[in-house]
Amino acid sequence: QVQLQESGPGPVRPSGTLSLTCTVSGGSFSRSHWSWIRQPPGKGLEWIGYVYTTGGTNYNPSLKSRVTISMDTPKNQFSLTLSSVTAADTAVYFCARGQLKWTSGHYYYYMDVWGRGTAVTVSS
Amino acid sequence: QSVLTQPPSVSAAPGQKVSISCSGSSSNLENNYVSWYQQLPGTAPKLLIYENNKRPSGIPDRFSGSKSGTSATLGITGLQTGDEADYYCGTWDSSLDSGVFGGGTKVTVL
Repeated sequence: QVQLQESGPGPVRPSGTLSLTCTVSGGSFSRSHWSWIRQPPGKGLEWIGYVYTTGGTNYNPSLKSRVTISMDTPKNQFSLTLSSVTAADTAVYFCARGQLKWTSGHYYYYMDVWGRGTAVTVSS
Repeated sequence: QSVLTQPPSVSAAPGQKVSISCSGSSSNLENNYVSWYQQLPGTAPKLLIYENNKRPSGIPDRFSGSKSGTSATLGITGLQTGDEADYYCGTWDSSLDSGVFGGGTKVTVL
């Protein structure tokens, strides 16, 4: 049973860099789109992006200039870095295992395993 | 402003049925598969429906999904107090080349 666990350093100062790591346990680290999603307080889900098993990435266009998602296969971890943060980046950040495929002219994309989430506050 | 549009809330009595709509466009719902997630208070989202109408193992058949054109619907029958949660639709947007979600719908059991 695959499990995901987010970890991070805690509060981040405005204009600083947010860094989070997701550790994958209990299953293979291969053939999936390892994803990050966030949820501001009292609001809905926002897709941030993913890193595929081969290292390819894709990011939300609204965050693309500030986001990097990378993977460390030997450690079974993938990471999120978000630069130049503001209060608007305060949210619960979730990591998830994504499945993205193109078949018969259609995409399907869904997240079938989620971490518990970690709250990140941007504050001075 | 979410790419996919959902009603903010729906409600029904225990045992009744609710339907949650999700509206999109030709670049997302019309040509790609939809998924649905349940988020109980204070917890992470959980996958309920994928590829429009498939249920992961362990999801009861009280939950069902359908899609037609640029809209999708999540149905919950035999409503239980434990179903009180926020529900989100999601898909891939081919124009944005990005995952997208609806704004979420809060289900209340009266």
